[in-house]
Amino acid sequence: DIQMTQSPSSLSASVGDRVTITCRASQSINTYLNWYQHKPGKAPELLIFVAFNLQSGVPSRFSGSGSGTDFTLTISSLQPEDFATYYCQQSYSTPITFGQGTRLEIK
Amino acid sequence: QVQLVQSGASVKKPGASVKVSCKPSGYIFTSYDINWVRQASGQGLEWMGWMNPNNGNTGYAQKFQGRVTMTRDTSLKTAFMELSSLRSEDTAVYYCASLVASVLHWGQGTVVTVSS
Repeated sequence: DIQMTQSPSSLSASVGDRVTITCRASQSINTYLNWYQHKPGKAPELLIFVAFNLQSGVPSRFSGSGSGTDFTLTISSLQPEDFATYYCQQSYSTPITFGQGTRLEIK
Repeated sequence: QVQLVQSGASVKKPGASVKVSCKPSGYIFTSYDINWVRQASGQGLEWMGWMNPNNGNTGYAQKFQGRVTMTRDTSLKTAFMELSSLRSEDTAVYYCASLVASVLHWGQGTVVTVSS
């Protein structure tokens, strides 16, 4: 199975801050990497698919980059509604695997 | 568009089993794998296993081997996940998710509470 290592596991930031979350795969996954936002009581929401494609309806302050084994999710200017937990997920091979999550908290 | 509708919340006693259903729409049911993922309170997403609705092939996370069974009813176009020998640590929200074009589309989640 491909292991996904996400960092940091938690992050405190302020509204307006620029935030970067990283995700590393244990082997190359090309660009088969997705990012999800998860809020309590709701299903995870797709933000970025195939490494750098912004899902329809997702604000442009979210962006993704990377290929191979190293990926990043960047939020250019944090908004109050962005405080949530973020997960990377690889779909290069079965089984799919997730990063451990990054909990983004208000400073 | 792709939508997945899951069955409602359950409360079970320790040692019992729970069976959660998942009905996708917006695509041909047999076309895409269905994964099951859970989240216990305060924990991250935990992948449980997958099923190919076309042939019924399954793959389970080692942690759940022997306790989880994923099936489907192609006439109902519905997938099922059954977890047996429930314990308090199985209290969680259970999600089904279809892997369509390399992206997961999620059900709304089913709360399973295990309590005596």
